[in-house]
Amino acid sequence: SQQGEEDPQALSIQEGENATMNCSYKTSINNLQWYRQNSGRGLVHLILIRSNEREKHSGRLRVTLDTSKKSSSLLITASRAADTASYFCATDAGGSYIPTFGRGTSLIVHP
Amino acid sequence: DADVTQTPRNRITKTGKRIMLECSQTKGHDRMYWYRQDPGLGLRLIYYSFDVKDINKGEISDGYSVSRQAQAKFSLSLESAIPNQTALYFCATSDPGLAGAPQFFGPGTRLTVL
Repeated sequence: SQQGEEDPQALSIQEGENATMNCSYKTSINNLQWYRQNSGRGLVHLILIRSNEREKHSGRLRVTLDTSKKSSSLLITASRAADTASYFCATDAGGSYIPTFGRGTSLIVHP
Repeated sequence: DADVTQTPRNRITKTGKRIMLECSQTKGHDRMYWYRQDPGLGLRLIYYSFDVKDINKGEISDGYSVSRQAQAKFSLSLESAIPNQTALYFCATSDPGLAGAPQFFGPGTRLTVL
């Protein structure tokens, strides 16, 4: 079963616009990670946010975590065509530190 | 050289054949994982290994087996492949015992079972 569910499933924007993706989960977590996957390739880790954190930044990425709502959002500012990819949230809820991946959001950024 | 490599990258096989997918890593991580990815379903965990002597079933282990030949090598076998095992398979590694440690993925193996 998947812990995190991303929303929307697909997002299409113009270059320069911001892209926001959301992740909702069901049980309490230790931390939440976001990954990126270019078409047909392996996932690449983007950012980690721990359960006691509310916001983190990394370059053009901003991640928020609301544990009361069991949700997280990933904001990509000033998007570029190269940001076109699928984005996955992964939640870690147990003691073994194995993340559970959601189904992903497919982002298309038009030049 | 890539930190996590997978062979083969693509494989087409027939129903009933035995298939082995191999994964090697140079990151020095003890933890290794096998996932499959199907369109619209995200990644699902097949097996994971915390060290050479510790192998565990994941969410969808039926029809699969694994072998951890060394710290750096983790192989996935399909003893008798069936069409619904057609998928993209990923190997991953992570640092042991570190909460929130990122996983490092290989490039994937695209398997088609006819």
